[in-house]
Amino acid sequence: QKEVEQNSGPLSVPEGAIASLNCTYSDRGSQSFFWYRQYSGKSPELIMFIYSNGDKEDGRFTAQLNKASQYVSLLIRDSQPSDSATYLCAVNIPGSARQLTFGSGTQLTVLP
Amino acid sequence: GAGVSQSPSNKVTEKGKDVELRCDPISGHTALYWYRQRLGQGLEFLIYFQGNSAPDKSGLPSDRFSAERTGESVSTLTIQRTQQEDSAVYLCASSTRQFSSYNEQFFGPGTRLTVL
Repeated sequence: QKEVEQNSGPLSVPEGAIASLNCTYSDRGSQSFFWYRQYSGKSPELIMFIYSNGDKEDGRFTAQLNKASQYVSLLIRDSQPSDSATYLCAVNIPGSARQLTFGSGTQLTVLP
Repeated sequence: GAGVSQSPSNKVTEKGKDVELRCDPISGHTALYWYRQRLGQGLEFLIYFQGNSAPDKSGLPSDRFSAERTGESVSTLTIQRTQQEDSAVYLCASSTRQFSSYNEQFFGPGTRLTVL
């Protein structure tokens, strides 16, 4: 079982819709969770992080964490074509020197 | 500089040649990471440096790969006798803290390596 799993997509949503991206992780001891956005040909950039169960909102983005079910999700409201990118979920792995393990990413396309 | 810098941005080499990739982390960042990203795929961890501690080399795919870092400054990733399967974007990231649940990594622009 992979440590961090994401659906590779592609996920397509119409402009203005809500895009929902999901991620599951295997280590119950994980404490911190990150969402990175990567535009084609560019490097990843951090857009959200969450530590506590529940929702965390930042503008059009909402991160949701459920530690009991070991999943973290990212909702993008009022999706725009500029949101089209690959979204990488990253999870801290307790006791691992590398600190973060990344999922393989979900490719999102927002259709105008 | 304000961010992580990497050089060169692009490198084309012939199979069997050695290449050296450079990463300059954000000033004050004690942790430095190298990742490899093949076309259309996720990030593959290669190596991690934290201060003067022994690096975590568990992600290096073969003994052709090595990396060095002096203190908390520049790091170089060396690939010897390059193979076509080494073609990828090599990303460097740095972060401020090690023993903390908070570990935001800031990425450089990457080096795109093409082995002919």
